[in-house]
Amino acid sequence: DQQVKQNSPSLSVQEGRISILNCDYTNSMFDYFLWYKKYPAEGPTFLISISSIKDKNEDGRFTVFLNKSAKHLSLHIVPSQPGDSAVYFCAASAQGTYKYIFGTGTRLKVLA
Amino acid sequence: SQTIHQWPATLVQPVGSPLSLECTVEGTSNPNLYWYRQAAGRGLQLLFYSVGIGQISSEVPQNLSASRPQDRQFILSSKKLLLSDSGFYLCAWRENLGDALHFGNGTRLTVT
Repeated sequence: DQQVKQNSPSLSVQEGRISILNCDYTNSMFDYFLWYKKYPAEGPTFLISISSIKDKNEDGRFTVFLNKSAKHLSLHIVPSQPGDSAVYFCAASAQGTYKYIFGTGTRLKVLA
Repeated sequence: SQTIHQWPATLVQPVGSPLSLECTVEGTSNPNLYWYRQAAGRGLQLLFYSVGIGQISSEVPQNLSASRPQDRQFILSSKKLLLSDSGFYLCAWRENLGDALHFGNGTRLTVT
């Protein structure tokens, strides 16, 4: 049972445009959400997180939006740069637990 | 600052041989420690986590085991590797509940 889903395995975007990566979850107990970026043969790097008490969190070019009623979150990258090309994972956790559940990832390609 | 070390970076082992992957964290005490595996199409799968020395929680029944002999050391082992154990193994840590996970650079294991 995949509790965290990233339904788009890949996405291509022109440099300078907005990249939108989506993530859906099924467990209503999740209250902390994270996005990671991963290059080949490296470990994932933490990008940005959001708690369920917020609906938006911004850090530079990266903004995460959370829609609790739809159990959906998205990562916006503006403007997209070629160096953003990587696999992006969303993850979720429930308060008081130690587990982080990851999605299957979306491969982003930013075209110069 | 905190750092995480994971080795080896790559490993090729024959079926039936034992396995030992090691992970250490520096610059923190009593971290929560994690082992994940990345397999194609399944994202990052949580294998084990540990909240303290000698305390191991297993998420997926399989051919692997984990141990935490020291506060900042986490070891992934197998007595006899299977072909299906091939994958990219990632160690991660966090300091407190509500923090993001921070990953090592991973070990690419190929079982032949």
